Amino acid sequence: NAGVTQTPKFQVLKTGQSMTLQCAQDMNHNSMYWYRQDPGMGLRLIYYSASEGTTDKGEVPNGYNVSRLNKREFSLRLESAAPSQTSVYFCASSAASGGISYEQYFGPGTRLTVT
Amino acid sequence: DAKTTQPPSMDCAEGRAANLPCNHSTISGNEYVYWYRQIHSQGPQYIIHGLKNNETNEMASLIITEDRKSSTLILPHATLRDTAVYYCIVREKGAQKLVFGQGTRLTINP
Repeated sequence: NAGVTQTPKFQVLKTGQSMTLQCAQDMNHNSMYWYRQDPGMGLRLIYYSASEGTTDKGEVPNGYNVSRLNKREFSLRLESAAPSQTSVYFCASSAASGGISYEQYFGPGTRLTVT
Repeated sequence: DAKTTQPPSMDCAEGRAANLPCNHSTISGNEYVYWYRQIHSQGPQYIIHGLKNNETNEMASLIITEDRKSSTLILPHATLRDTAVYYCIVREKGAQKLVFGQGTRLTINP
C-alpha cells in the first residue's frame, strides 16, 4: 500500500514551458487535492476534486489546470510556467461519504523551480 | 473556517511530554480541531482530530477545553523524530480544504 505517490520529485522549468505533475493514490479515496507550499509558509489549496469527474478551484487556482483522470489519479498542469510558481507541490487524498470528507493523506511533494 | 493561534516555536527534551497549545476562540459548534505535522521537506502527516471530547490515538492525545476555545496536543514521550512543524487547523468536517497557518516549530533536544 503506497498511499499517495507523486511524480516527478524534482523539476526545473524555464519561464513559459509547460508540464504536468502526476499524483496517484491506492486507498480508494474519493477526494483528491493539490496544494502548494512556498518557503516558510503553510500550504495553500490550488484545486480539489471531491469525486471522480468533478473539480473545483481552491484559494490559488490561477495559472493551473487539473484533470481527474479516474478515481486513482489527479494531475496538475502548468500551461506556461512563471517564476512565481516556484514552490513545492503536494497532492493529497481523503475518504468521503455522505458529503463528509475526512482526514487528508499527503504525498511526498514535487519541488518545482521556474527560472 | 475559524482562525487558530499557535506559538511559533517550542523546545522539549527527548523522553518528556511535549504539550503544544492552540487557541481557536472563534470556533463554531460544527467545527472540528485537526492536528497535522510536517517533518522537514515531507508532506504533512495527519495526527488526530476532535470535536469536544478528549481524544487519544497511537500518536498523540488531544485535550479540548470545555468552552472549545483552545486545545492542547500532547506527545507523551517525545523522540528526536518528533521534531517537526505542527499545525492546528479548525474546519467543518465536510469542508474540503485545510487552511494551514504558520504552525509551531517543535524541536526535540537530546
